[in-house]
Amino acid sequence: AQTVTQSQPEMSVQEAETVTLSCTYDTSESDYYLFWYKQPPSRQMILVIRQEAYKQQNATENRFSVNFQKAAKSFSLKISDSQLGDAAMYFCAYRSRDDKIIFGKGTRLHILP
Amino acid sequence: DTGVSQDPRHKITKRGQNVTFRCDPISEHNRLYWYRQTLGQGPEFLTYFQNEAQLEKSRLLSDRFSAERPKGSFSTLEIQRTEQGDSAMYLCASSSTGAPFDEQYFGPGTRLTVT
Repeated sequence: AQTVTQSQPEMSVQEAETVTLSCTYDTSESDYYLFWYKQPPSRQMILVIRQEAYKQQNATENRFSVNFQKAAKSFSLKISDSQLGDAAMYFCAYRSRDDKIIFGKGTRLHILP
Repeated sequence: DTGVSQDPRHKITKRGQNVTFRCDPISEHNRLYWYRQTLGQGPEFLTYFQNEAQLEKSRLLSDRFSAERPKGSFSTLEIQRTEQGDSAMYLCASSSTGAPFDEQYFGPGTRLTVT
């Protein structure tokens, strides 16, 4: 069975600095998809960034980028120029072609002004 | 588009009572998903629908749980004979297609507290 592990329950970063959230996963499949979701306090979960496993190029979305290492089964999220609005729970997620999404336990990110 | 909505947002019930939650997906989204999120955990898949057909149910969905999507639009999730272990946030999400790379849009969730 596939698993997703986020080893950092909480992290803090100074406003305007860069922070990297870690995620590892375990799978025997070769075709899958990886996601980072953001869940702000008392607000809806939203998709931050996604990566197709067959693509070697790392995905980027404005200040958000990933470091996808397929062989190491690692999928970290880098947030550049951190802003107060980035404070949230961040979930790493894995999706195989059978359509189930498997989420990690999350990393709570604090932004220090 | 107003996004995915869920009702109620909060529900407090006594152990043994039945509860029903509603999810209204984004209009014209074919796929609708239910997840459960307990404190300190990520969401866990419960079940999903393609239009009105329920295609998969997780082992987490015991016999006390039932979900429907009668006309392929809104969905309901019912829990019978609630237990304290059912206390959680129940999330609904929808997507336009079933493509694996397709974004799932989440609702605000229904927080259930069983006393």
